[in-house]
Amino acid sequence: KAGVTQTPRYLIKTRGQQVTLSCSPISGHRSVSWYQQTPGQGLQFLFEYFSETQRNKGNFPGRFSGRQFSNSRSEMNVSTLELGDSALYLCASKVETGRSNEQFFGPGTRLTVL
Amino acid sequence: AQTVTQSQPEMSVQEAETVTLSCTYDTSENNYYLFWYKQPPSRQMILVIRQEAYKQQNATENRFSVNFQKAAKSFSLKISDSQLGDTAMYFCAFITGNQFYFGTGTSLTVIP
Repeated sequence: KAGVTQTPRYLIKTRGQQVTLSCSPISGHRSVSWYQQTPGQGLQFLFEYFSETQRNKGNFPGRFSGRQFSNSRSEMNVSTLELGDSALYLCASKVETGRSNEQFFGPGTRLTVL
Repeated sequence: AQTVTQSQPEMSVQEAETVTLSCTYDTSENNYYLFWYKQPPSRQMILVIRQEAYKQQNATENRFSVNFQKAAKSFSLKISDSQLGDTAMYFCAFITGNQFYFGTGTSLTVIP
């Protein structure tokens, strides 16, 4: 079974631009979560989607948004990029049935804002 | 508020020795799962070990074991017979409801 995939793997943008990141979960996983990872801050939760609905949201400004499609693929959008948005963005998926709550992570998208 | 604290930003251990990574958390929930994730340099995050909060018995996975103290809200990870491949960032996390909460990580270096 294929793992969680994220595209693109690397991005370089300039301040003020916008960016869209994509995540394809493991087949059968309906929950997709997004995290921002920066040195010293660990993983900061952005939001979680389940069945095309945002189920949970972290404490990030409205410039960060996301959506999920009927095939469970998810996109994350950041508008009006700031230097502080430079980070590794991780996507994780999990299955909702059964007792396991394990999240499976993708390789991440490294975003650099210049 | 739900929080996870990893008080050791960096640690090192000699190959074949044992090391313990500490983690404390805070939640008012009674049902939750605890996890340790490993993120090797430039590689994907993977699950190391999982503990269900209602189970008193500490989880073990080969060389990895946890010391789960529910009353103290402590969840430390012990790595025995450390190997060079254990060099990574380690994140402690728990899930309650549908949301995960992560610590800031401990960078572990195994010295040959």
